[in-house]
Amino acid sequence: DGGITQSPKYLFRKEGQNVTLSCEQNLNHDAMYWYRQDPGQGLRLIYYSQIVNDFQKGDIAEGYSVSREKKESFPLTVTSAQKNPTAFYLCASSPWSPTSYNEQFFGPGTRLTVL
Amino acid sequence: AQTVTQSQPEMSVQEAETVTLSCTYDTSESNYYLFWYKQPPSRQMILVIRQEAYKQQNATENRFSVNFQKAAKSFSLKISDSQLGDTAMYFCAFMKEQQGGSEKLVFGKGTKLTVNP
Repeated sequence: DGGITQSPKYLFRKEGQNVTLSCEQNLNHDAMYWYRQDPGQGLRLIYYSQIVNDFQKGDIAEGYSVSREKKESFPLTVTSAQKNPTAFYLCASSPWSPTSYNEQFFGPGTRLTVL
Repeated sequence: AQTVTQSQPEMSVQEAETVTLSCTYDTSESNYYLFWYKQPPSRQMILVIRQEAYKQQNATENRFSVNFQKAAKSFSLKISDSQLGDTAMYFCAFMKEQQGGSEKLVFGKGTKLTVNP
């Protein structure tokens, strides 16, 4: 089955620790995205990547870092610099065509709780 | 910058009835897409319906339809014959059309819809 995998589903960390969230896709999509969701808020874009070894900051990139070494993988690191990291994190991917709309497909999400 | 506003934090409807969720947006772009996403308790984001701004005809997908008013920058979702499985958070989202690259989704804060038996 093709899809997007995020692991783990729930993650607990102590304050001050860096933590990496996994996102893998086997849809052969070029673009990948990380969104953050807080209660009462919509999703906000953290980082996105259109191609391997390239990525761009979204609206709330401070305190986060990413890498895109493989087409299938786009891990997100939540660093100790992120002031309020407890949230639900969603990864998405999309194909890319310069001439048509590119639908984003979402993973199941990771709930991060910092204690 | 684009903004999306959903003015109804919560709504409820009786099973089999019709409900309309509101969304307004602000943009200076001419070409863009609008979406309604559903997020059930499982928290999986599911695309419900999409509207291209250049199309005057309102999009429909089975029991789901939109009322797209481009001049008013309004994009409401109508759910007909509501079912218990429609209970979810519904997010309105905007994406500007961009040639040559991926583009981000801008989301509203969501409307929590409860369908009562």
